[in-house]
Amino acid sequence: KNEVEQSPQNLTAQEGEFITINCSYSVGISALHWLQQHPGGGIVSLFMLSSGKKKHGRLIATINIQEKHSSLHITASHPRDSAVYICAVRVQGGSEKLVFGKGTKLTVNP
Amino acid sequence: SQTIHQWPATLVQPVGSPLSLECTVEGTSNPNLYWYRQAAGRGLQLLFYSVGIGQISSEVPQNLSASRPQDRQFILSSKKLLLSDSGFYLCAWSVEAYNEQFFGPGTRLTVL
Repeated sequence: KNEVEQSPQNLTAQEGEFITINCSYSVGISALHWLQQHPGGGIVSLFMLSSGKKKHGRLIATINIQEKHSSLHITASHPRDSAVYICAVRVQGGSEKLVFGKGTKLTVNP
Repeated sequence: SQTIHQWPATLVQPVGSPLSLECTVEGTSNPNLYWYRQAAGRGLQLLFYSVGIGQISSEVPQNLSASRPQDRQFILSSKKLLLSDSGFYLCAWSVEAYNEQFFGPGTRLTVL
């Protein structure tokens, strides 16, 4: 079993829909990252959070440390949001290591 | 502003040939530097990280090596490529440990 599990693996939505991508992890962490990978491969960091909730534009990330779960929400989705969304956790204990989920491929149709 | 460069963008190499991928960062000093690989159907995997010149930590034993000859230069190498080395290689940097990481554009390597 992977230390970081994302669901769903693939998600297709219509423009304007509210999107939720989930991430569960099984290790103690010091921080969780949400990343966006565009079709060309480039990766952009969206959020780094260790508690609570962060919002940037139409994107919202939440984390529940006790439940070892994080969600990424996209409001009023748009075709340009189509990408792979990756969850990564920094394992507690002083290591530089980030452990990555396999990603959720989101397709938003017009 | 800080930027990160990787080259080449794509590379096709025969099995057994050497490899050298380069990553440079501009606009910051003494960054932490990382090499990741993303194989088909798999998540990103940390290969190496460096907290300073000449300081390299390896996460996964394999036929790859990394070097940091200058503060903002990180090189990924292999003496003899394997088919299993095919993948998408990403370099990243962060200001300090535990901080947000910023990724380069990546190099897509195909070993035939």
